[in-house]
Amino acid sequence: NAGVTQTPKFQVLKTGQSMTLQCAQDMNHEYMSWYRQDPGMGLRLIHYSVGAGITDQGEVPNGYNVSRSTTEDFPLRLLSAAPSQTSVYFCASSDLYGYTFGSGTRLTVV
Amino acid sequence: DQQVKQNSPSLSVQEGRISILNCDYTNSMFDYFLWYKKYPAEGPTFLISISSIKDKNEDGRFTVFLNKSAKHLSLHIVPSQPGDSAVYFCAASARGATNKLIFGTGTLLAVQP
Repeated sequence: NAGVTQTPKFQVLKTGQSMTLQCAQDMNHEYMSWYRQDPGMGLRLIHYSVGAGITDQGEVPNGYNVSRSTTEDFPLRLLSAAPSQTSVYFCASSDLYGYTFGSGTRLTVV
Repeated sequence: DQQVKQNSPSLSVQEGRISILNCDYTNSMFDYFLWYKKYPAEGPTFLISISSIKDKNEDGRFTVFLNKSAKHLSLHIVPSQPGDSAVYFCAASARGATNKLIFGTGTLLAVQP
C-alpha cells in the first residue's frame, strides 16, 4: 500500500538549474497538491489540482510549474532554481475526508 | 494574510497531563478542520478532524473542539505521552469550494517524562 510516493528524497541544485520533483499516488484521488515547509512558516500551498488536466495556484506559486496529465501523477517543476526555494517539499493527495502526504523532498539550492 | 493561525510556536507538558493546542482562523468559508502530527523527516500524518456542523469530535486520547462564533478550534490530548512529542499542524478547508487545505504554522509539543 504505497499511498503517496515522492522522489527524490534529497536534492542539491545550483542556482539557475531546473529539476522536477515527482509525486505519484495509487489511491485514485482526484485532488493533489504541493506544499513547502519552511521554519516558522508552516506548510504553504504551492499548486493544487482537482483532477487530471486541471491545475491552479496556491499561496506561493511563483517559480514553480505543475501539470496533471494523469490522475496518478502530479510533478512539480522548478524552471530556474533560486536559493529562496531551499525547503522541504511535500506532495499530498486527498478525497473529501482526508489528506495523505508523501514523505517529502529536501531541496537545497546553492 | 495568514488564514489559519497557531500563535504558540511551542508547548511543554508533563507526561500524564493534558496538552491543549490552539488554532484560530479568519475565513468564514472554512467548513472542515483537521489536525496533523509531524515527526522530523516524515510527512504530516492525519490525527483528527471536525466538520463545521459539529462542535466536538473525540478519538481515543484526542478531542477537537470547534467554536465557530470565535473562529477557534483546539486539540486536547489526555493523557499526554512522550510519544506525542511532535509538531502539530492545524489545517482548514472549504470542501464545498476547492478543497484546498490551508495550514497553520505549527506548534511543537514536547511531553516531558
